[in-house]
Amino acid sequence: GAGVSQSPSNKVTEKGKDVELRCDPISGHTALYWYRQSLGQGLEFLIYFQGNSAPDKSGLPSDRFSAERTGGSVSTLTIQRTQQEDSAVYLCASSLVEGMNTGELFFGEGSRLTVL
Amino acid sequence: GDSVTQMEGPVTLSEEAFLTINCTYTATGYPSLFWYVQYPGEGLQLLLKATKADDKGSNKGFEATYRKETTSFHLEKGSVQVSDSAVYFCALSDLRGSYIPTFGRGTSLIVHP
Repeated sequence: GAGVSQSPSNKVTEKGKDVELRCDPISGHTALYWYRQSLGQGLEFLIYFQGNSAPDKSGLPSDRFSAERTGGSVSTLTIQRTQQEDSAVYLCASSLVEGMNTGELFFGEGSRLTVL
Repeated sequence: GDSVTQMEGPVTLSEEAFLTINCTYTATGYPSLFWYVQYPGEGLQLLLKATKADDKGSNKGFEATYRKETTSFHLEKGSVQVSDSAVYFCALSDLRGSYIPTFGRGTSLIVHP
């Protein structure tokens, strides 16, 4: 597709269950970012990928959170043993990080996670 | 490290009023500056950008000028519409430093008919 695609768009889960959120970036974009947006809050940086490697994982809130990216394309954010405070919208963005890129991010519409 | 500070919201205006949302930044390098907009229920999308000092970004009637001397990038619109109601995020990206863009906390704009 032409834009960043995220799935699922909505996920309701029970406390203690694991969830996987998927991001399909724009083709050719080498950088991929995950952010979290809680109700009424700004953007919380989680993790950044350059290709398949993650130079910066400093934003992951706990060891229950992990992410991977394969083939320099699709990324999966996994939250294990979900807690109610994990409820938020998880936003994925991609970017070119080469040449004349100005650092603009292209965002998906987000995955809304609700933990009951 | 880099940081972005933008005015607290919500900003509530009547239709056709003048809008200013203040944004200031600190950066060690020479960043590009951005305004993103998030309409209800949607992801963020780029509204406008400026890549060097004194550049003016503009789109959909919105403008912002990159002011290096005051480290500011204030967003303005001469006449807002109800459809401009959204959350606005100021951001910077310094490709000679970290590749991780820095965002402000967002300012909610509510425009009444």
